[in-house]
Amino acid sequence: DTGVSQNPRHKITKRGQNVTFRCDPISEHNRLYWYRQTLGQGPEFLTYFQNEAQLEKSRLLSDRFSAERPKGSFSTLEIQRTEQGDSAMYLCASSAAGAEGAFFGQGTRLTVV
Amino acid sequence: GQQVMQIPQYQHVQEGEDFTTYCNSSTTLSNIQWYKQRPGGHPVFLIQLVKSGEVKKQKRLTFQFGEAKKNSSLHITATQTTDVGTYFCAGRGSSGTYKYIFGTGTRLKVLA
Repeated sequence: DTGVSQNPRHKITKRGQNVTFRCDPISEHNRLYWYRQTLGQGPEFLTYFQNEAQLEKSRLLSDRFSAERPKGSFSTLEIQRTEQGDSAMYLCASSAAGAEGAFFGQGTRLTVV
Repeated sequence: GQQVMQIPQYQHVQEGEDFTTYCNSSTTLSNIQWYKQRPGGHPVFLIQLVKSGEVKKQKRLTFQFGEAKKNSSLHITATQTTDVGTYFCAGRGSSGTYKYIFGTGTRLKVLA
């Protein structure tokens, strides 16, 4: 296991289309975070999973965003009816219970045209 | 809502000079983490501080957590070109939340 894996690395989509991203965390990491990062800004929290349970979701997150972690392993983030403002780097991070810090994946860069 | 600010936004130093970035939260934190992000890369965890007034060192890096648990700092002694990147603090609130709010970041450039 070489770390947190995210796919695809890049996604270009037309406005109004739906997109789905996948995150494979480090094995046995039960905590999983999704963040969004735009140029020159820090990562913005989107949602948090502990095992398969989605325990926290940003109130800033539109209803067009949904995330799942069905078996407590990989996670998916779906954006429906994409808008140009959704263009950003989507980062996934995982950590083990009781551990300090989180390991980030390389991210999926979304461009909405 | 909770906000985390960092200053300065940018810092250019000559190699060998010291560097400090400051992080301030609008609310009391349960803990704070520091990350480094190289250009084109992803955030990499550096350290976590939990206790009021805590100080931790990693080689040339010194991290402090304020007494009120609302501010923190990262100090790098004798910077090297490998220190180039953006340094983020990320604070978790004390109200039972799981989320970390990242600061605005300080972008460090080191001139050889």
